[in-house]
Amino acid sequence: KQEVTQIPAALSVPEGENLVLNCSFTDSAIYNLQWFRQDPGKGLTSLLLIQSSQREQTSGRLNASLDKSSGRSTLYIAASQPGDSATYLCAVEETSGSRLTFGEGTQLTVNP
Amino acid sequence: NAGVMQNPRHLVRRRGQEARLRCSPMKGHSHVYWYRQLPEEGLKFMVYLQKENIIDESGMPKERFSAEFPKEGPSILRIQQVVRGDSAAYFCASSPFQTLGNTIYFGEGSWLTVV
Repeated sequence: KQEVTQIPAALSVPEGENLVLNCSFTDSAIYNLQWFRQDPGKGLTSLLLIQSSQREQTSGRLNASLDKSSGRSTLYIAASQPGDSATYLCAVEETSGSRLTFGEGTQLTVNP
Repeated sequence: NAGVMQNPRHLVRRRGQEARLRCSPMKGHSHVYWYRQLPEEGLKFMVYLQKENIIDESGMPKERFSAEFPKEGPSILRIQQVVRGDSAAYFCASSPFQTLGNTIYFGEGSWLTVV
């Protein structure tokens, strides 16, 4: 059974800091890994998708990496801003089915 | 193109009542997924449906929960005889494909409170 873990559970940083969010998964037979953003009381917005054959993806100030063999992914946020404050969720899509398995998220607060 | 629409956004039910949550997928999307987010927990898969078919319901509780996606109209997640432990946010997502990739879109959720 796939399990996804995110560390840390919460993170508070001053504006402008670079930061790294971590995600690990137990079963490396994944089709892809995706990072989402969730704002309070809202749905999920996809940030970055990494296919299992890829090592990283970048979008603006965000960079996500994937090491499938070790079951790890990181989300790097450069020059953080207060608007980045949200919960960040990591999810894997397994090759065995059309479902996403989510981590419990990292709650990020960026202080002005 | 409207996004995934869920209603009601907020629902309060007394213990023992029924809750019906509706989800209209994005236009052109025939694959619907329901996830539940309990307080302080991550999202957990519940069920995957296509029109008139339940494809995977392995995440659904064995009793009181049911889901459907009829030929016409929205997908419905139905919870009978609700208990306090059912209080959660229920998210619907849709995709045009079976393999999700970055084609999955989530609604803003239905927040159920059982009192």
